[in-house]
Amino acid sequence: SQQGEEDPQALSIQEGENATMNCSYKTSINNLQWYRQNSGRGLVHLILIRSNEREKHSGRLRVTLDTSKKSSSLLITASRAADTASYFCATDIPVWRGAQKLVFGQGTRLTINP
Amino acid sequence: NAGVTQTPKFQVLKTGQSMTLQCAQDMNHEYMSWYRQDPGMGLRLIHYSVGAGITDQGEVPNGYNVSRSTTEDFPLRLLSAAPSQTSVYFCASSYRDRYGYTFGSGTRLTVV
Repeated sequence: SQQGEEDPQALSIQEGENATMNCSYKTSINNLQWYRQNSGRGLVHLILIRSNEREKHSGRLRVTLDTSKKSSSLLITASRAADTASYFCATDIPVWRGAQKLVFGQGTRLTINP
Repeated sequence: NAGVTQTPKFQVLKTGQSMTLQCAQDMNHEYMSWYRQDPGMGLRLIHYSVGAGITDQGEVPNGYNVSRSTTEDFPLRLLSAAPSQTSVYFCASSYRDRYGYTFGSGTRLTVV
């Protein structure tokens, strides 16, 4: 099974509301990253939080990380129609000295209704 | 600065054929990875590399080979295409573990 489990799988909210997505993972990580994918396009990196950080902000994005619970959340405030996309968490996992790999969850499909 | 370039964008193969998906980056990134994306499955890691000459298997490596002879290029070879390899393939690169990955625009592969 994949490293990351995301919840919910799909989320539909009204424009202007806040959207929260959650991610749980299984193994030790170097960092956790969130990506956005618009339909049929490549992924775009949104934010990275290191394992020794608990919270990070970037514009309307807020990410939290709880390594004791192996979980993270992404909050998008004051949502806009342009935020409609799939959102993926990805964990950067150490594999051997000097090496790591990035493993993705299954994603949350976010729909913002005007 | 082109970022990550994947070619071709679309490809149709017959079962048993072989081909190479190309990936090139011009950002001097050490880390490069290949993923496949199937409906409802998210992205699954096929192979990854942490530098020229260093590659390792990901979650779903069977049926695929990679090599990394230069920092810039990381081709993915399908040895004998099967319908189960019908998917969208993404290449991505990153400088170090403090940075996010830059993704290519993908190759949509259909095996008939």
